[in-house]
Amino acid sequence: SQKIEQNSEALNIQEGKTATLTCNYTNYSPAYLQWYRQDPGRGPVFLLLIRENEKEKRKERLKVTFDTTLKQSLFHITASQPADSATYLCALVGNSGYALNFGKGTSLLVTP
Amino acid sequence: EAQVTQNPRYLITVTGKKLTVTCSQNMNHEYMSWYRQDPGLGLRQIYYSMNVEVTDKGDVPEGYKVSRKEKRNFPLILESPSPNQTSLYFCASSLWGTSGKDTQYFGPGTRLTVL
Repeated sequence: SQKIEQNSEALNIQEGKTATLTCNYTNYSPAYLQWYRQDPGRGPVFLLLIRENEKEKRKERLKVTFDTTLKQSLFHITASQPADSATYLCALVGNSGYALNFGKGTSLLVTP
Repeated sequence: EAQVTQNPRYLITVTGKKLTVTCSQNMNHEYMSWYRQDPGLGLRQIYYSMNVEVTDKGDVPEGYKVSRKEKRNFPLILESPSPNQTSLYFCASSLWGTSGKDTQYFGPGTRLTVL
């Protein structure tokens, strides 16, 4: 079966450090992978999309890498701030081609 | 403002009492879908719609119905709610499915409690 695995343990880091979150997947052949941010009780918000032929993508303090050989994506937030505290979800299109499947997310807490 | 709206935002009901959660988007998106989110289980897709009058099941469709009579609206219907449908529900839309050419826009969520 298809699986998307994200570290279920919360990640606690100090302000100013780089946060690195991992997304591993099995039984997907993704053309692209997406990352979303979700604040408690609110809907996910799209952050970045990276395609299979892109090794790395950046947006401001965010960086995503995508290794289709390792079946893994890494999501980095540099110079982290308390406002970055949230749950981060990775998402892949399922076999049907019409459903976006989400990992369970990793909670990030940035402390001053 | 481009947005997806859901109503109600909070609902407490009793087992067996039919209810409808409305979803509307003002972005002229073809694709709409419903998710439920439960602790430890993450986001799971209930139903999706590629366009008007075109709907299909997601991963957890049992106990739910949907309809897509207009492009902007995609209501979620629980004909006989049960306590195991207590959850946080999200509606989402995008320009064209999950093609990667666009992003999924999510509504603010509806917290449903079935007693």
